[in-house]
Amino acid sequence: AQSVTQPDIHITVSEGASLELRCNYSYGATPYLFWYVQSPGQGLQLLLKYFSGDTLVQGIKGFEAEFKRSQSSFNLRKPSVHWSDAAEYFCAVGAQNQGGKLIFGQGTELSVKP
Amino acid sequence: DTGVSQNPRHKITKRGQNVTFRCDPISEHNRLYWYRQTLGQGPEFLTYFQNEAQLEKSRLLSDRFSAERPKGSFSTLEIQRTEQGDSAMYLCASSLGGTSNQPQHFGDGTRLSIL
Repeated sequence: AQSVTQPDIHITVSEGASLELRCNYSYGATPYLFWYVQSPGQGLQLLLKYFSGDTLVQGIKGFEAEFKRSQSSFNLRKPSVHWSDAAEYFCAVGAQNQGGKLIFGQGTELSVKP
Repeated sequence: DTGVSQNPRHKITKRGQNVTFRCDPISEHNRLYWYRQTLGQGPEFLTYFQNEAQLEKSRLLSDRFSAERPKGSFSTLEIQRTEQGDSAMYLCASSLGGTSNQPQHFGDGTRLSIL
């Protein structure tokens, strides 16, 4: 069965520092991978997606993620964090034969220190 | 593009009552999804529609839950005889159909609180 693991429940970084949020997935074939961000009381906003091709994908708000098949990972990165990046981040996996439904990780809460 | 709209934003009800939520997807999107999110967890898939056809239901969707999408436009999710465990955020998402790699666009959700 598909699954997504986000090992870090909560991360705190200083403003201006770099960020990496980890995501590991379990799926037999090439998955479709997504990162979403959620602010308190809000829905989820898509940051970026990977379907195929270049394994380094660029997203909105200066985020990028790299698909590493050998490690079953899709980590999210940002070179310099802004205070407004504080939110909950979710990694999700979908597949062609799953009708488009997404399996989400439990999320990583990001706090940003001034 | 007005985005996915969900109403109400917040619903408080007593245990045992019935509740209904509405989702209006992005107009050209023919796929519509419902997810449930409890505190500290990621969203969990409940069901999805392609146009008016309900194509898949999760085992999380007990017989107290029913979803409809008449005419393939808006959708409703009804919970009958609510229980404490139904307290959660109910999220709706929509996407263009055809392939499963189309990104899903989410609404702001309906937060259900059971007293």
